[in-house]
Amino acid sequence: GAVVSQHPSWVICKSGTSVKIECRSLDFQATTMFWYRQFPKQSLMLMATSNEGSKATYEQGVEKDKFLINHASLTLSTLTVTSAHPEDSSFYICSAPEGGYNPYEQYFGPGTRLTVT
Amino acid sequence: TQLLEQSPQFLSIQEGENLTVYCNSSSVFSSLQWYRQEPGEGPVLLVTVVTGGEVKKLKRLTFQFGDARKDSSLHITAAQPGDTGLYLCAGGERTGANNLFFGTGTRLTVIP
Repeated sequence: GAVVSQHPSWVICKSGTSVKIECRSLDFQATTMFWYRQFPKQSLMLMATSNEGSKATYEQGVEKDKFLINHASLTLSTLTVTSAHPEDSSFYICSAPEGGYNPYEQYFGPGTRLTVT
Repeated sequence: TQLLEQSPQFLSIQEGENLTVYCNSSSVFSSLQWYRQEPGEGPVLLVTVVTGGEVKKLKRLTFQFGDARKDSSLHITAAQPGDTGLYLCAGGERTGANNLFFGTGTRLTVIP
């Protein structure tokens, strides 16, 4: 299957600083990538859809100025958490469809655990 | 936001037992996926079902898509400790957005 990587796998930052998380499709190109947030013992919540060459689409309730998304190439999307606060601590996961027959068949990165102190 | 309810939310069983996890919605989905997620990792795709009434088998796992494409079930036969994890269903709609709506999740623990 397709491989999606994320970097870093975990990060600890101080309140008020910004953190960038990278999502890469390693063996396929992805014009679209998705960013999710997952709190402990909960399901995945879609934050935004990252589109190569255009603006990201944010889900209702997600602040686009706080969670900056840049889809710089067909294999890389980045999520920057600006002015992070402890409530932003979460598990952030990206995914991408491989582009095969079924566009809903997505492959997920291993996730990035963010802890804001 | 489309809601996919999974039941049960938590399930703890002995090794060798059978179990069924349900995924229900009031919405119609063009396809439905089941994922398994282990702690600290991203979800891993298990199966995709696209046709109403479709049944797919993956070793001891049997997946079924409801006739109306609003619900799905996952049945595990003779559960093993390695089956422990968070099981998530996710549906895709015919909106062209290609994003998935995830279910509420079922956390399965198989006790040796």
